[in-house]
Amino acid sequence: AQSVTQLDSQVPVFEEAPVELRCNYSSSVSVYLFWYVQYPNQGLQLLLKYLSGSTLVKSINGFEAEFNKSQTSFHLRKPSVHISDTAEYFCAVTRMDSSYKLIFGSGTRLLVRP
Amino acid sequence: KAGVTQTPRYLIKTRGQQVTLSCSPISGHRSVSWYQQTPGQGLQFLFEYFSETQRNKGNFPGRFSGRQFSNSRSEMNVSTLELGDSALYLCASSLDWNEQYFGPGTRLTVT
Repeated sequence: AQSVTQLDSQVPVFEEAPVELRCNYSSSVSVYLFWYVQYPNQGLQLLLKYLSGSTLVKSINGFEAEFNKSQTSFHLRKPSVHISDTAEYFCAVTRMDSSYKLIFGSGTRLLVRP
Repeated sequence: KAGVTQTPRYLIKTRGQQVTLSCSPISGHRSVSWYQQTPGQGLQFLFEYFSETQRNKGNFPGRFSGRQFSNSRSEMNVSTLELGDSALYLCASSLDWNEQYFGPGTRLTVT
């Protein structure tokens, strides 16, 4: 079975500061990795994904995540956050042979303060 | 292109009743997945349908069921509602396996 751990339930940070949201996973088979963002009263939006190839993946709004197979991690980073980045962020994995079933972490609430 | 739509957005039901939630996927998407989101259990996979067939199923009791129609629209049904079924139910549609597009969800409150 697969599992995803997001140790930080909430991360407060000042505007324009860097941030890292941690994600570790456990799986006996190869997986694909995703980060989703959820704004209040909305559904989930795909932020970025790792399928294969370069271990560093980037989103269009400045976030990036690096897949580290040896540490089974997929941490999300942004060098300078904005107030508008305040949201809940979910890390998720899916087995390569069962790709429609996403296993989510418990989420990290990013709170950006002015 | 219109996104995933879910109806109704909010619903209040009483214990013991049943409820049906609807999801219309993005045009052309044939896969529809359902997830339950609660503060205690987080996001959990319910089931996934493709071309009117259930392909994957999560660990939920038989009170939770679903179906998909020929136009890819999907419904999920919960019978004999319990207080613990109060949750945000999210639907996601996919064209390719590696990207799911989520709707805004239906917030179900069971009293």
